[in-house]
Amino acid sequence: GAVVSQHPSWVICKSGTSVKIECRSLDFQATTMFWYRQFPKQSLMLMATSNEGSKATYEQGVEKDKFLINHASLTLSTLTVTSAHPEDSSFYICSAVGYRFPNSPLHFGNGTRLTVT
Amino acid sequence: AQTVTQSQPEMSVQEAETVTLSCTYDTSESDYYLFWYKQPPSRQMILVIRQEAYKQQNATENRFSVNFQKAAKSFSLKISDSQLGDAAMYFCAYRMGMRFGAGTRLTVKP
Repeated sequence: GAVVSQHPSWVICKSGTSVKIECRSLDFQATTMFWYRQFPKQSLMLMATSNEGSKATYEQGVEKDKFLINHASLTLSTLTVTSAHPEDSSFYICSAVGYRFPNSPLHFGNGTRLTVT
Repeated sequence: AQTVTQSQPEMSVQEAETVTLSCTYDTSESDYYLFWYKQPPSRQMILVIRQEAYKQQNATENRFSVNFQKAAKSFSLKISDSQLGDAAMYFCAYRMGMRFGAGTRLTVKP
């Protein structure tokens, strides 16, 4: 089946630094990728939708300048948490769909646990 | 905006029994997809079943089936012959915009 690789699986960083999370589709071309945030024991909250070669569409309330999303190729999207603060600590998950979206099922990465100290 | 509601924060079922998880949604679109995902403690999201709104027939995948009521905007998941490995968080999701419900934590008792 289709595989989405998300890296790193966990990261600890100091307050004020930036962290980049990568999401790669390994065996298919991902025309659209989604980024989510999940707090403990809560649901996935959609942060943004990114289409290859265009600017990401952010959900209401998500700071574009803090959560930079780049989808430069059909197999890679990155989420950069800039000037991270402890309140940015969370579990971040990406998902990707192929060219037949919305007919294609979503393929999820394994998530990244970010801890900001 | 689309919203997805799961009104059961927790559910419990005896092994080998049947359990139904509820989901309602709100949308003005006529063509869309609905999904149930499972998230075990590993936090990996696993697709359980999906339903295309224009199909009247309820989707079935082995022990998992849905009761899709388009007019009522209801999309419940039935798990038959529950197994210990079914214990997880279950999320209902609306495709267009990728909205997820709050989730239902399912416990399976041996």
